Amino acid sequence: DGGITQSPKYLFRKEGQNVTLSCEQNLNHDAMYWYRQDPGQGLRLIYYSQIVNDFQKGDIAEGYSVSREKKESFPLTVTSAQKNPTAFYLCASSLTVNSNQPQHFGDGTRLSIL
Amino acid sequence: AQSVTQPDIHITVSEGASLELRCNYSYGATPYLFWYVQSPGQGLQLLLKYFSGDTLVQGIKGFEAEFKRSQSSFNLRKPSVHWSDAAEYFCAVDRGSGTASKLTFGTGTRLQVTL
Repeated sequence: DGGITQSPKYLFRKEGQNVTLSCEQNLNHDAMYWYRQDPGQGLRLIYYSQIVNDFQKGDIAEGYSVSREKKESFPLTVTSAQKNPTAFYLCASSLTVNSNQPQHFGDGTRLSIL
Repeated sequence: AQSVTQPDIHITVSEGASLELRCNYSYGATPYLFWYVQSPGQGLQLLLKYFSGDTLVQGIKGFEAEFKRSQSSFNLRKPSVHWSDAAEYFCAVDRGSGTASKLTFGTGTRLQVTL
């Protein structure tokens, strides 16, 4: 079955610690995205990648970093510089970055601070 | 900049009743419009999309939406709600043809279904 796999489902971070969220897709999509979701708010774009070895900042990139070394994988690192990291993180992908290609979403990772 | 407003934070309907979720957008040109549904603790699933053409679009699970340019609206409807439709619904707008995606989401409407 083709889809997007995010792991882990739940993640806990200590103060001052970096953590990495995994996102893997087997849809052969070129574009991948990371969103942050907070209660009562819509999704906000953190980073996106159009192709391998390319990525662009979204609206709220501060305190986050990404890499795109393989087409299938787009991991997100939440650094200690992100002062309010508690949120639900969603990864998405689309065939291309063109706006006529709907985005498909994984099941998310919930990050909490210990 | 584009924006999306979902004026209803929470809606409760009885099973079997009709449903309409409101969505208004702001964008200078013709946008691409989407409705997504999210069950608790899950990702988003695409219900339907509008790019051009017929302003009434059909989606999955019996949902439909109507694009009204004059009202800058893209309301989601279902004639008869099922208990399994209880979830959060997000309207989203993207820039139109020939552009790179920049999807902007509304804040969502939580649907509760009473039996």
